[in-house]
Amino acid sequence: GENVEQHPSTLSVQEGDSAVIKCTYSDSASNYFPWYKQELGKGPQLIIDIRSNVGEKKDQRIAVTLNKTAKHFSLHITETQPEDSAVYFCAASIVGTYKYIFGTGTRLKVLA
Amino acid sequence: EAQVTQNPRYLITVTGKKLTVTCSQNMNHEYMSWYRQDPGLGLRQIYYSMNVEVTDKGDVPEGYKVSRKEKRNFPLILESPSPNQTSLYFCASRPSGGAGELFFGEGSRLTVL
Repeated sequence: GENVEQHPSTLSVQEGDSAVIKCTYSDSASNYFPWYKQELGKGPQLIIDIRSNVGEKKDQRIAVTLNKTAKHFSLHITETQPEDSAVYFCAASIVGTYKYIFGTGTRLKVLA
Repeated sequence: EAQVTQNPRYLITVTGKKLTVTCSQNMNHEYMSWYRQDPGLGLRQIYYSMNVEVTDKGDVPEGYKVSRKEKRNFPLILESPSPNQTSLYFCASRPSGGAGELFFGEGSRLTVL
């Protein structure tokens, strides 16, 4: 069946450094790719998303890139801060459907 | 405040004792769904509902039931819980049409002994 692979499972960076999390999806029909941040004891919250007609999207320190040919998409966080420490999930979906396939999550630790 | 509310947040129960986890949203969203989160497995969809009286199975529906009698509520029912249903459960909602942001509740941690 469809799946989304996410790497790495844990990532530690020094404050101020960049962090990159990568996902690969299997269903070539997927055309919507959201990223969620889950803080301790909370539900996941959308931080950025991208549709397949766009190769890159930025929102301040966060950016997402998409390579449709390789079926890869990545989350880039620059100038990391301690409050960026959380679990991050990628997901793949098809616009018009109600199915979301989530990655297995990346625990990001930003060391002060 | 727009939100998805789940209850209970924490529950310890025993094998076979029926339980219901409630989910309510105040955003008039048509779509609601349930996920379970397990270490190393991410979020897996259990059931979803496109609107009142319309539900469908997700990837891991075994052992669960749902109902959608009102737009705002989408309870998750475990008729005979087993230890392998020990997990962190999330309810989510979003408006119908297209793809878009899922709004998640704060989670319900269930332990089945």
